[in-house]
Amino acid sequence: GEDVEQSLFLSVREGDSSVINCTYTDSSSTYLYWYKQEPGAGLQLLTYIFSNMDMKQDQRLTVLLNKKDKHLSLRIADTQTGDSAIYFCAESSQTITDKLIFGTGTRLQVFP
Amino acid sequence: DAGVIQSPRHEVTEMGQEVTLRCKPISGHNSLFWYRQTMMRGLELLIYFNNNVPIDDSGMPEDRFSAKMPNASFSTLKIQPSEPRDSAVYFCASSQPSRVTQYFGPGTRLTVL
Repeated sequence: GEDVEQSLFLSVREGDSSVINCTYTDSSSTYLYWYKQEPGAGLQLLTYIFSNMDMKQDQRLTVLLNKKDKHLSLRIADTQTGDSAIYFCAESSQTITDKLIFGTGTRLQVFP
Repeated sequence: DAGVIQSPRHEVTEMGQEVTLRCKPISGHNSLFWYRQTMMRGLELLIYFNNNVPIDDSGMPEDRFSAKMPNASFSTLKIQPSEPRDSAVYFCASSQPSRVTQYFGPGTRLTVL
């Protein structure tokens, strides 16, 4: 079945780059997403990438997709303390495009 | 726009009681999703509506859970009877027709004692 995996924790120093990794199993996913969840809040879509793309850049965010290895990454340049949150990777369902399969989430801690 | 609205934000109840969670999607959105988030299981999709019709309820844990969408601007998730293992944060999300972005509400934190 469909499965999305992420590491649980990442700790970085303010100003450094953060790289959050994700692996997925459904090779037919149409879109792959990154969501951010701040404490006590819902999930906020950060960015997404279409499956026929290798890279997408949006200001401090860079998404890399390796379809062969089914690997997705999110790079945050110049990480700030406000970036501390849980980051979820998600893939669209094979059978229902609107249905998302979420990873376990990676807790990013940014320290001064 | 006010975004997705959920109520209540917090609910504490005793085992065996009925719990009703409410959601108002963003106006114009035709898809609505109910998720449950726990430390052990992460974020799980419970049920998904499209144009007020349930499309996929395979994530609903058991018969104690039911969801309705009587119109395009309102949905409920009901648990009867509630159990301590139902304690979680329940999120509602909505999306526009043929769009990839799901907009999440702030969630309802449910505690069943």
